[in-house]
Amino acid sequence: QPVLTQPPSASASLGASVTLTCTLSSGYSNYKVDWYQQRPGKGPRLVMRVGTGGIVGSKGDGIPDRFSVLASGLNRYLTIKNIQEEDESDYHCGADHGSGSNFVYVFGGGTKLTVL
Amino acid sequence: QLQLQESGPRLVKPSETLSLTCSVSGVSIGSSSYYWGWIRQPPGKGLEWIGSIYYNGNTYYNPSLKNRVTVSGDTSKNQFSLRLSSVTAADTAVYYCARHLAVTATGDWFDPWGQGTLVTVSS
Repeated sequence: QPVLTQPPSASASLGASVTLTCTLSSGYSNYKVDWYQQRPGKGPRLVMRVGTGGIVGSKGDGIPDRFSVLASGLNRYLTIKNIQEEDESDYHCGADHGSGSNFVYVFGGGTKLTVL
Repeated sequence: QLQLQESGPRLVKPSETLSLTCSVSGVSIGSSSYYWGWIRQPPGKGLEWIGSIYYNGNTYYNPSLKNRVTVSGDTSKNQFSLRLSSVTAADTAVYYCARHLAVTATGDWFDPWGQGTLVTVSS
């Protein structure tokens, strides 16, 4: 099963842009990754899903156009433009692997985004 | 609008069984082709998928927890439940329930999630 690696922290100034990275372990370069936003004290919510060709499906409910995704090799990126205070959150990536009795869903360790 | 809400004891003693219920509103868990899942997050750590149940009752568990986990559904109450046996302090976490979507062409994901409930394992 894949291992997802995320930097523990990131920061950006209000109004700036930031790109968060989720790296798949070797051998899983064709895997889709799901991005989730978790505001303080809240449950996670889906931001959007990213495959090798970019976004998969639609953005999550209420996710603004400032959020976008890209993929390159083993990396799956989430970019936030014109950062707002409400974007300060933990961002988690996840991916599914296998099917039936061999199914498993794995998460990265999460990145805490601080808005300066 | 689909909403999920976790409920259950907040404190469980070591070696006992943790039991949580997720109440679902806005969608009937028995009549929709969805899965329903449990995910947890230990304090200061990342998320961990625990297990999911399909609308027809089929269940899928994280291999690391499989021997201790049971996920079940009660369509009459529109609820699904988690039981985790033989708990230790390592099972202290915020437990979330979520709709688990699965599409053959695009894989699986979780949306939406409940607010979560902190369960502490301590004597």
